[in-house]
Amino acid sequence: QQQVKQSPQSLIVQKGGISIINCAYENTAFDYFPWYQQFPGKGPALLIAIRPDVSEKKEGRFTISFNKSAKQFSLHIMDSQPGDSATYFCAAFRGSQGNLIFGKGTKLSVKP
Amino acid sequence: NAGVTQTPKFRVLKTGQSMTLLCAQDMNHEYMYWYRQDPGMGLRLIHYSVGEGTTAKGEVPDGYNVSRLKKQNFLLGLESAAPSQTSVYFCASTERRGGTGELFFGEGSRLTVL
Repeated sequence: QQQVKQSPQSLIVQKGGISIINCAYENTAFDYFPWYQQFPGKGPALLIAIRPDVSEKKEGRFTISFNKSAKQFSLHIMDSQPGDSATYFCAAFRGSQGNLIFGKGTKLSVKP
Repeated sequence: NAGVTQTPKFRVLKTGQSMTLLCAQDMNHEYMYWYRQDPGMGLRLIHYSVGEGTTAKGEVPDGYNVSRLKKQNFLLGLESAAPSQTSVYFCASTERRGGTGELFFGEGSRLTVL
């Protein structure tokens, strides 16, 4: 049972464009939704996160949009840069259990 | 401050051999996790621990055992390795129950089972 579904699997964007990655979850008990960024040969690192009582969170060029009723959330990368090329994972966290479940990841390539 | 350290970083095993991956964290975190990462499958939780002396099963626990005898260490064991366990293994930790979901990851251990 896949609790967090992520799309697309891969994404190619021109420099300066907008990258959009979507996720959907099933369990309403999740209470935190982080996005992780992973570069080749490295472990994932937290990029940005949102609670379900907030509809949008922005940090620099990165924005999370959250739709609680639809159980969906998305990551928008504005003015995408070649240095943003990485694999992005959405995740859902259940604080009472300490259990973090990841989506399958999106490999983003930003072309110069 | 080393963060999360995994050893070894690379290992090749033959089918049926056993081995242990060691994860050490110096952040005094309560929660520790073992994930495996396979192409197209994302990160899947194997086992996790919510404190010293505790362990719990994740999504894909079969074929693995874990122990958390000391708060700073979390060991992942393979008693009889199989080719299906060829993967990159990541250890992670986080501060406490009810936290924000920010896990700190090690750099991974690449295991190949022939």
